[in-house]
Amino acid sequence: DQQVKQNSPSLSVQEGRISILNCDYTNSMFDYFLWYKKYPAEGPTFLISISSIKDKNEDGRFTVFLNKSAKHLSLHIVPSQPGDSAVYFCAASGTSGSRLTFGEGTQLTVNP
Amino acid sequence: DGGITQSPKYLFRKEGQNVTLSCEQNLNHDAMYWYRQDPGQGLRLIYYSQIVNDFQKGDIAEGYSVSREKKESFPLTVTSAQKNPTAFYLCASSRQGRSEQYFGPGTRLTVT
Repeated sequence: DQQVKQNSPSLSVQEGRISILNCDYTNSMFDYFLWYKKYPAEGPTFLISISSIKDKNEDGRFTVFLNKSAKHLSLHIVPSQPGDSAVYFCAASGTSGSRLTFGEGTQLTVNP
Repeated sequence: DGGITQSPKYLFRKEGQNVTLSCEQNLNHDAMYWYRQDPGQGLRLIYYSQIVNDFQKGDIAEGYSVSREKKESFPLTVTSAQKNPTAFYLCASSRQGRSEQYFGPGTRLTVT
């Protein structure tokens, strides 16, 4: 039972344009969501998070949007840079400090 | 420099042998986690520990064992009972009550 799903295995965008990565979840008990970035053969790096009491959180070029009614979140990267090329994972937890459930990841490629 | 170290980076073993993967952190985090990543899949939780001398099974604990004798260390043993041990193994830690997990660089285990 895949409780966190990233339906797009890959996404390709041009440098300077917006990248939008999507994530859906099924468990209504999830109330904290995170995005991680991962380069090959390295550990994931925490990017940005959002609590269910908010619908938007912004940090520099990265913004995460949460639509609780649709059980959907998205990560916007603008402007996209070639260094953003990596696999992006979304993750969810039931309460702060509890275990994370990860999606399958989306490979983002930003073309110069 | 605070962080999580995993050693070695690459590990090769013959089928039927047990192997122990090292994970050490100097972040003073209470909780530690082990995940495995397979191609095209997300991170799947093997075991986690929220305090010393206590740990819980994750989603795919069969064929693995752990110990948590010290706060800084959370070694994972891949036993011969694990049917598909070849994978990329990631260790993570987090502060108590926080969902953000910080990852080590990973160990690529190949069993032939």
